[in-house]
Amino acid sequence: GESVGLHLPTLSVQEGDNSIINCAYSNSASDYFIWYKQESGKGPQFIIDIRSNMDKRQGQRVTVLLNKTVKHLSLQIAATQPGDSAVYFCAENQNTGRRALTFGSGTRLQVQP
Amino acid sequence: ETGVTQTPRHLVMGMTNKKSLKCEQHLGHNAMYWYKQSAKKPLELMFVYSLEERVENNSVPSRFSPECPNSSHLFLHLHTLQPEDSALYLCASSQDFLREGGETQYFGPGTRLLVL
Repeated sequence: GESVGLHLPTLSVQEGDNSIINCAYSNSASDYFIWYKQESGKGPQFIIDIRSNMDKRQGQRVTVLLNKTVKHLSLQIAATQPGDSAVYFCAENQNTGRRALTFGSGTRLQVQP
Repeated sequence: ETGVTQTPRHLVMGMTNKKSLKCEQHLGHNAMYWYKQSAKKPLELMFVYSLEERVENNSVPSRFSPECPNSSHLFLHLHTLQPEDSALYLCASSQDFLREGGETQYFGPGTRLLVL
């Protein structure tokens, strides 16, 4: 079905290591993707986005990679810090006429000191 | 934190109560959304409004009644809720509703609702 899924529900990393959070999507017509971070007690916060005409986009300590061939999206966080501990969601614009983004179920990132 | 605010942040209500959730966006956006977030589930879209008109309703029970009096405010009126309606209710806004090429949605902090 049309859904955005995440490979791992929980990811635990050591402080200072790099983190990679993965996301699979099923709709080849999807043309826009966003990564959100949700800390406990807060709403999802925009991190970075990428359009389907790009393969890679970099922000501050974060990089999003898009592989349209295998319909895979990843978020890389460099030098992970305790403040990065949160649930991370990917979301996509599926271009089905739906008026809102479609969200995955989320991956919890735990940063060990 | 963000340009989208929600009140109250926490709400406890009985099944016979009537309450309302309020959302306000200060971003000059034209589209607003209500989502429900339950434990271990993806975000569930409830309603989409664009320029004060409802443009999408995801078969939400009638005990949830949205209201959009202007492009900056969105309400969710609640009545005779069930315990399974306990969740985090999130409001979001975007410049326009989703179209080809995508629109970034910005979220408020949410209202944590507990129905007893």
